Amino acid sequence: DVKVTQSSRYLVKRTGEKVFLECVQDMDHENMFWYRQDPGLGLRLIYFSYDVKMKEKGDIPEGYSVSREKKERFSLILESASTNQTSMYLCASRINRGNNSPLHFGNGTRLTVT
Amino acid sequence: AQSVTQLGSHVSVSEGALVLLRCNYSSSVPPYLFWYVQYPNQGLQLLLKYTTGATLVKGINGFEAEFKKSETSFHLTKPSAHMSDAAEYFCAVRTNTGTASKLTFGTGTRLQVTL
Repeated sequence: DVKVTQSSRYLVKRTGEKVFLECVQDMDHENMFWYRQDPGLGLRLIYFSYDVKMKEKGDIPEGYSVSREKKERFSLILESASTNQTSMYLCASRINRGNNSPLHFGNGTRLTVT
Repeated sequence: AQSVTQLGSHVSVSEGALVLLRCNYSSSVPPYLFWYVQYPNQGLQLLLKYTTGATLVKGINGFEAEFKKSETSFHLTKPSAHMSDAAEYFCAVRTNTGTASKLTFGTGTRLQVTL
């Protein structure tokens, strides 16, 4: 079974802090994704990575950056956290084989910025 | 660009009643469509997917969905709701970016099941 692990379930940070959200998958998947989930807005793609050291902006990349130094790990970075980044963050991975391989999600990190 | 619309942010049904969650898509190419479910305090898990072939797709937990090209719809159904079906459900469409495909999600429908 694929396991996608997000290092923290809950985080509370102050405005202006630099925040790291970590995600690790154990199935050698090429593609990894970061989404944020907000009530009434569903999931919105922040960034994704199709392979090691590769990254692409998603639909809402502003205020975020990412790092993919190793295949199993994909980090989301908030350079200077703001209150509008309070949200649930979901990491996902998939094998890069055709168009029908599903996403596998972690359990999410609920970030509160005060 | 591909997009997904889920009609109804909240749906309430009685236990044993039919579940119908609506999803309409917009796509300029033949779509790949997915339904995911999210239980409280968990990530999303795949319920079912449509890629090509048979338009009626069966998934886990007794759910199924029918791809109707003429209606651009992919509605999720279950004949008889169970209390354990209470969750949030997301419809999604695959988008190709040229480097890697990604999923575009709808805004979700929260299903409540009452006694």
